Amino acid sequence: NAGVTQTPKFQVLKTGQSMTLQCAQDMNHEYMSWYRQDPGMGLRLIHYSVGAGITDQGEVPNGYNVSRSTTEDFPLRLLSAAPSQTSVYFCASSQGPWELFFGEGSRLTVL
Amino acid sequence: AQSVTQPDIHITVSEGASLELRCNYSYGATPYLFWYVQSPGQGLQLLLKYFSGDTLVQGIKGFEAEFKRSQSSFNLRKPSVHWSDAAEYFCAVGASNFGNEKLTFGTGTRLTIIP
Repeated sequence: NAGVTQTPKFQVLKTGQSMTLQCAQDMNHEYMSWYRQDPGMGLRLIHYSVGAGITDQGEVPNGYNVSRSTTEDFPLRLLSAAPSQTSVYFCASSQGPWELFFGEGSRLTVL
Repeated sequence: AQSVTQPDIHITVSEGASLELRCNYSYGATPYLFWYVQSPGQGLQLLLKYFSGDTLVQGIKGFEAEFKRSQSSFNLRKPSVHWSDAAEYFCAVGASNFGNEKLTFGTGTRLTIIP
């Protein structure tokens, strides 16, 4: 009963490096989204997808890319990491836009 | 645009005491309202939701919330807290505008339970 699986759970990068945060769900949900959580700021939407082949920007999309080639997977790419991208990242999936199922998070530190 | 305010950053209550976490929203129409809970080191879990109808909604783990339109509030309550309720709680408001749905989270309230 996996639900939403995120990898890696922890990652340390140097400024300018690139990486991909992986997200997979096994609930056949159409909606998937990426949030970042920073102290005192709650969760902010980075990118989201309403189905395979469809993605759109959220509140804080700069510096991040996404793609949705399958229903199950929704990777988040950081092309050139910056210290401002140090955060905890959450992937979520849902059948509709509201009732989200979250992964356990990926803690990223950019030095 | 919608917004959510959780005025209490941190609340401490004794085990067995009652709990009320405050949430105020700003939105021009009737919103969809949610409470999520985040246990330490975990992702968020949906506690309860309000879409329409009865303004008092029941959720999981013995929580309830009441929608008060006149006060633009959706406060979370529990009659008697347990040590396992220690977590961070997020209120969220959902709005739909011409097919563009958006879920906005508050900044969260951290709940500490003392024996």
